[in-house]
Amino acid sequence: DQQVKQNSPSLSVQEGRISILNCDYTNSMFDYFLWYKKYPAEGPTFLISISSIKDKNEDGRFTVFLNKSAKHLSLHIVPSQPGDSAVYFCAASDPGTYKYIFGTGTRLKVLA
Amino acid sequence: KAGVTQTPRYLIKTRGQQVTLSCSPISGHRSVSWYQQTPGQGLQFLFEYFSETQRNKGNFPGRFSGRQFSNSRSEMNVSTLELGDSALYLCASSAGPTGGNYGYTFGSGTRLTVV
Repeated sequence: DQQVKQNSPSLSVQEGRISILNCDYTNSMFDYFLWYKKYPAEGPTFLISISSIKDKNEDGRFTVFLNKSAKHLSLHIVPSQPGDSAVYFCAASDPGTYKYIFGTGTRLKVLA
Repeated sequence: KAGVTQTPRYLIKTRGQQVTLSCSPISGHRSVSWYQQTPGQGLQFLFEYFSETQRNKGNFPGRFSGRQFSNSRSEMNVSTLELGDSALYLCASSAGPTGGNYGYTFGSGTRLTVV
């Protein structure tokens, strides 16, 4: 059973427009949510996180929104740049098991 | 400050063989986790070590094992390799107990191909 789901395997966006990546989860006990970006042949790198007690966190062009009632989070990138083209993983922290549970990833392609 | 170092970067093995992958975490990090990445499956959690103890284990068969040394370096072993074990194996270290807002720092991974 996939506790963290990214239902869109890929997304294409024009440069300068907004990219919205979505993530759904099933466990209401998850206490932190993180986004990672991964380029080919590299390990994932941390992008931004949000605590379950907040509904928004912003860092430059990146904003993460959390809707706890819907068990849904999204990552907004504004404006999108070609260098943002990568695979994005969302992850949830499970306080009961000391691990992060990752989604399957969304491949973002920003078109110049 | 050196990042997480994984060796080797690439590996080709024959079905039935065994393999050992190595991970050196960021200096001072005591938690090391291992993940398997395959297309369409995302990052699947293998196990986590903290202070030489396996604290958590994912849903992988017993052919997958690991250990952590007193210097926090970790190794992962896969015995009796199968074709389906071909994947990118990622190691991640964390400054604090895994979970919460500590996050991970990932290594670049070891690409294992089983033929």
